[in-house]
Amino acid sequence: EPEVTQTPSHQVTQMGQEVILRCVPISNHLYFYWYRQILGQKVEFLVSFYNNEISEKSEIFDDQFSVERPDGSNFTLKIRSTKLEDSAMYFCASSEGQGFYEQYFGPGTRLTVT
Amino acid sequence: KNEVEQSPQNLTAQEGEFITINCSYSVGISALHWLQQHPGGGIVSLFMLSSGKKKHGRLIATINIQEKHSSLHITASHPRDSAVYICAVKSVEYGNKLVFGAGTILRVKS
Repeated sequence: EPEVTQTPSHQVTQMGQEVILRCVPISNHLYFYWYRQILGQKVEFLVSFYNNEISEKSEIFDDQFSVERPDGSNFTLKIRSTKLEDSAMYFCASSEGQGFYEQYFGPGTRLTVT
Repeated sequence: KNEVEQSPQNLTAQEGEFITINCSYSVGISALHWLQQHPGGGIVSLFMLSSGKKKHGRLIATINIQEKHSSLHITASHPRDSAVYICAVKSVEYGNKLVFGAGTILRVKS
């Protein structure tokens, strides 16, 4: 069964460093998402991406964040200058369409900023 | 006020018990998702529904659109059902994004 994959599973970085989290969505899916979950808190939406552009973003998704689909298979989330409060689990998801379409989640990347 | 409220926050059950987890939301929705999150952190989609009832194995999800309420039932619970169960809704008011509840931590004891 097709699945969403994410790498790395765990990333440790120092404050101020740039990190890139990578996702490979399911191949025939058109909509891509990033969510994050700070330890002990609920999952929060960051950004959605369709047709090579951001379709929606939350107030969390400020200028230090960016997303890209560089090569038609990968979908990346870049955090330019990490802060301690960026430590969280980051989930990628993809779906075939909008509306009543299921979103399939990747296993997550645990980001630890020290 | 939270857009998606789940109850209970924590639930401990004995193996074999029938379990119900509730989800209430405040806006009209296009879809409601029930998700399962295991201790390792990964999220698995259990159900997506917009009306009525769905069943998969020992899991049943129901939704009442008028009352803005959904329930997830687990019959004949087993220790392997221990996980966090999360309700998430999609609404035109929120765009295409999912808005998540805080989750219900379920522990099934043998």
